[in-house]
Amino acid sequence: GAGVSQSPSNKVTEKGKDVELRCDPISGHTALYWYRQSLGQGLEFLIYFQGNSAPDKSGLPSDRFSAERTGGSVSTLTIQRTQQEDSAVYLCASSYTGGVQPQHFGDGTRLSIL
Amino acid sequence: GIQVEQSPPDLILQEGANSTLRCNFSDSVNNLQWFHQNPWGQLINLFYIPSGTKQNGRLSATTVATERYSLLYISSSQTTDSGVYFCAVLRGSTLGRLYFGRGTQLTVWP
Repeated sequence: GAGVSQSPSNKVTEKGKDVELRCDPISGHTALYWYRQSLGQGLEFLIYFQGNSAPDKSGLPSDRFSAERTGGSVSTLTIQRTQQEDSAVYLCASSYTGGVQPQHFGDGTRLSIL
Repeated sequence: GIQVEQSPPDLILQEGANSTLRCNFSDSVNNLQWFHQNPWGQLINLFYIPSGTKQNGRLSATTVATERYSLLYISSSQTTDSGVYFCAVLRGSTLGRLYFGRGTQLTVWP
């Protein structure tokens, strides 16, 4: 596609439920990244994919967070047993080959945990 | 990790004024990007500028990698320039993750 596409754009769920966030990168981009933006923490890195592999997942805040990427394209970020502190905007980015290539961001998913 | 500091944290301007935003970073970097986050939350690429100077319309940016800082210049500001400006840097040793500053909140009044 022309840009990075994320869905849903907004998600409201109850504490304790599981959520799945989806990211469709720019066509042809092999590298994909997830970041989180919250009021107190700014923009923080979560995980990086090169193809279907995740060489850096050190930013995932707990084992309730997981992500996968299939076919070298779409990625899903899953949060299990959501907590109120998970409320944030989840941003996905992609870049052509990874490394020092510029990253292009989607519009994000705004997640609210009640 | 690498520390990224942006200044000023807040900036209020009258339409037509010029401004300079600064980004300091604590170590050598392989990539530096400037972003504009508009009031709708969209993060828009402004510049990919690991070194040197680039210009795009009313905006220009300069990165002096040896001195570990970058500057973003906005000339003849417009109300549509309002939003948060982020600087983000990347080190090759950390496989592509961007480290973001806390941003500069710019408000342009008509």
